[in-house]
Amino acid sequence: EVQLVESGGGLVKPGGSLRLSCAASGFTFSSYNMNWVRQAPGKGLEWVSSIISSRNYIYYADSVKGRFTISRDNAKNSLYLQMSSLRAEDTAVYYCAREMMQSPDALDIWGQGTMVTVSS
Amino acid sequence: QSALTQPASVSGSPGQSITISCTGTSSDVGGYNYVSWYQQHPGKAPKLMIYDVSNRPSGVSNRFSGSKSGNTASLTISGLQAEDEADYYCNSYTTNSALLFGGGTKLTVL
Repeated sequence: EVQLVESGGGLVKPGGSLRLSCAASGFTFSSYNMNWVRQAPGKGLEWVSSIISSRNYIYYADSVKGRFTISRDNAKNSLYLQMSSLRAEDTAVYYCAREMMQSPDALDIWGQGTMVTVSS
Repeated sequence: QSALTQPASVSGSPGQSITISCTGTSSDVGGYNYVSWYQQHPGKAPKLMIYDVSNRPSGVSNRFSGSKSGNTASLTISGLQAEDEADYYCNSYTTNSALLFGGGTKLTVL
């Protein structure tokens, strides 16, 4: 079964750091571009970051640029999001999502999400 | 970059058809044939319903269809069913190689 499972969410103080992980299974992880998407409570979806399969290209939303770092370990079939200088507005469910080949808009597999709460 | 513009809510009766619009600019919706649509039920992860403007992933009902004209993309759901009640989001690839989501539309089946 094709599956993504996020972990690492929790409660963190403003200015703190957190590292999210996403474990992939059931497909050839190294062949796919991967993304992080977040959703603040009661709000819409917001794209956060993407990383190309070969790790040659990485992109960030302006709202997280300079604070978040996306990475991947193809040997471990894992995607990561290192978050630092966290703010209250970063509070959200964070989803990892697989991007369909040849279709940069199409996120066809999603994890169940992990909740990040930034609060003092 | 501001979110793509979607109506906050739409509604329809079972069996009817509804259309949700998604308006962007020439830097996103209008510039590429890379628009997708997602369905999200409460407490669940989003589900891909349409990609590349009008393509349906395997397993998605043919009651769902997508189109685009200029800077506006549209999702049409025909033969509305109770289980279609959900939030719907559009998404577009942009000139910055980023993805941009719409604000979301709540579909109510009356």
